[in-house]
Amino acid sequence: SQQGEEDPQALSIQEGENATMNCSYKTSINNLQWYRQNSGRGLVHLILIRSNEREKHSGRLRVTLDTSKKSSSLLITASRAADTASYFCATDASSGAGKSTFGDGTTLTVKP
Amino acid sequence: DAGVIQSPRHEVTEMGQEVTLRCKPISGHNSLFWYRQTMMRGLELLIYFNNNVPIDDSGMPEDRFSAKMPNASFSTLKIQPSEPRDSAVYFCASSSETGLSPLHFGNGTRLTVT
Repeated sequence: SQQGEEDPQALSIQEGENATMNCSYKTSINNLQWYRQNSGRGLVHLILIRSNEREKHSGRLRVTLDTSKKSSSLLITASRAADTASYFCATDASSGAGKSTFGDGTTLTVKP
Repeated sequence: DAGVIQSPRHEVTEMGQEVTLRCKPISGHNSLFWYRQTMMRGLELLIYFNNNVPIDDSGMPEDRFSAKMPNASFSTLKIQPSEPRDSAVYFCASSSETGLSPLHFGNGTRLTVT
């Protein structure tokens, strides 16, 4: 089974609203990454947060990490129609020798 | 930088045929990963290389699948013989430092086996 699990599976919001996606994982990690995938394209890296970090920002993105709960959240503020995509979390397990394991993703639809 | 380049973008083949997928990683990256994406199973890691050496191939489904990396700028994933259940999108990704830096994905090869 996958290391990470995203929640919700699908999210539909209006342009301008905030979108929050959650990721839970099972084992100790070195870092956690969030990726975006537009239809028919490869995944694009958004942000990486290390296990000793609790929060990270990049533009309209805010990622939090709670290692005690083995969970992370991705917040997209002031969403735009162009944010419509699938979002995946990926974890590099402490024992995983550098391989990233992906969750099933959250499909975000931002309506104009 | 051209990014990770995969070819072909689409491949349609008949069951039993050999299929070869190709990948050119980003220059200077020393780790290369092959993933497979399906609706049912999501994104699965098949194999990854570090400095052209296969490190973990535990995700390769069966002996019909093989991967090579003859040099730092080229890798292939071969399926022989192909089966309809191999239909998926196959992604190649590279990174500059395994486990410490993000993955850069190609746009994938959509494989359909009839």
